[in-house]
Amino acid sequence: DAGVIQSPRHEVTEMGQEVTLRCKPISGHDYLFWYRQTMMRGLELLIYFNNNVPIDDSGMPEDRFSAKMPNASFSTLKIQPSEPRDSAVYFCASSKTRSNQPQHFGDGTRLSIL
Amino acid sequence: AQSVSQHNHHVILSEAASLELGCNYSYGGTVNLFWYVQYPGQHLQLLLKYFSGDPLVKGIKGFEAEFIKSKFSFNLRKPSVQWSDTAEYFCAVNENTGRRALTFGSGTRLQVQP
Repeated sequence: DAGVIQSPRHEVTEMGQEVTLRCKPISGHDYLFWYRQTMMRGLELLIYFNNNVPIDDSGMPEDRFSAKMPNASFSTLKIQPSEPRDSAVYFCASSKTRSNQPQHFGDGTRLSIL
Repeated sequence: AQSVSQHNHHVILSEAASLELGCNYSYGGTVNLFWYVQYPGQHLQLLLKYFSGDPLVKGIKGFEAEFIKSKFSFNLRKPSVQWSDTAEYFCAVNENTGRRALTFGSGTRLQVQP
């Protein structure tokens, strides 16, 4: 079975540029999560969706960050304009409905903003 | 709000030594508990989970964890570690009802020396 698929795996761009990260959840999973991992802050939730609807975006750092889920098989996380402090590994995860179902993580996107 | 504490930030062991990593959470309601492992450069993988029943749960690769409700703890154990267990280990919790996002501990870096 295909797992959670993220693209790109690595992204290096200059400050001020727009960055778009992509995620395809596991088929049949109706929850999708975006996390960010940094040395300083560890793993933190940015936003999550249920049935394509954003449920909790309290972790989104600021207006420069936006996330969409236009359908059950695709989500994007966009940063515009990007800043060096956005450099991190961004993970997407998905899970089934029941709360005791584990989240399955993608390989992550390592983002470097110069 | 939930919080998860992992008090051991960096653990160094020799092969065949026993392992116990501490995890405490703060939340008054019913929770689901997870341990994830992250090998260098890879995504998070589920080791084991607890949501009800026998408080001693067994996971993959010989790991187990014990849920002690009175202590709000969910410690991870392995009787005999191998060099291949070198990785970062994360404890995580979510609510049994309501908010589905995981709250992660800060992680414990395990280094197993051959």
